[in-house]
Amino acid sequence: SQQGEEDPQALSIQEGENATMNCSYKTSINNLQWYRQNSGRGLVHLILIRSNEREKHSGRLRVTLDTSKKSSSLLITASRAADTASYFCATDAGYSTLTFGKGTMLLVSP
Amino acid sequence: DGGITQSPKYLFRKEGQNVTLSCEQNLNHDAMYWYRQDPGQGLRLIYYSQIVNDFQKGDIAEGYSVSREKKESFPLTVTSAQKNPTAFYLCASSILGLAGGPSTDTQYFGPGTRLTVL
Repeated sequence: SQQGEEDPQALSIQEGENATMNCSYKTSINNLQWYRQNSGRGLVHLILIRSNEREKHSGRLRVTLDTSKKSSSLLITASRAADTASYFCATDAGYSTLTFGKGTMLLVSP
Repeated sequence: DGGITQSPKYLFRKEGQNVTLSCEQNLNHDAMYWYRQDPGQGLRLIYYSQIVNDFQKGDIAEGYSVSREKKESFPLTVTSAQKNPTAFYLCASSILGLAGGPSTDTQYFGPGTRLTVL
């Protein structure tokens, strides 16, 4: 079953704008990760946030985690056309595997 | 796509035929995974393996089989019993966790194989 659910399903913005996508999950987790997938390619790991962390930064990426609301957000600042991709959250609930959501498709127009 | 290769990139198969998808990694990772992705969907786990000669079923193992004879290789066979095999198949690997199981830290993905059943 898919634990993480991303919102929105699709997002269209202009270059330079910020993009925010959200992930909700159902059970307690050890960590939550965000991955990026360019069309027809494999996934690339972006960032991992552990259950005892509230915010994490990596370059233009900012991830927050609210375990009380069972939700996470991924913010991409100053977006570029090259950021166009699908973004997935994945949760580790302690069963030795990750559970992926359905993804948010981001389109950044020049 | 890191040190994981998948072949072929595109694969066509007639109904009723078995087909094997290749996955090789040179990252020295103990754990390997197979996922299926359908259009507009997330990834669903088919099988995973923590060590050589051992593997576990994921959420959608029916109609699939795997082997793990070498640390570097984790081939997936899509059998004729799989009712709807047309999909994008992704292989991934990770290090072992502290408890000896797969680490649920970073997974490294291959470029995928797109299987179409004619």
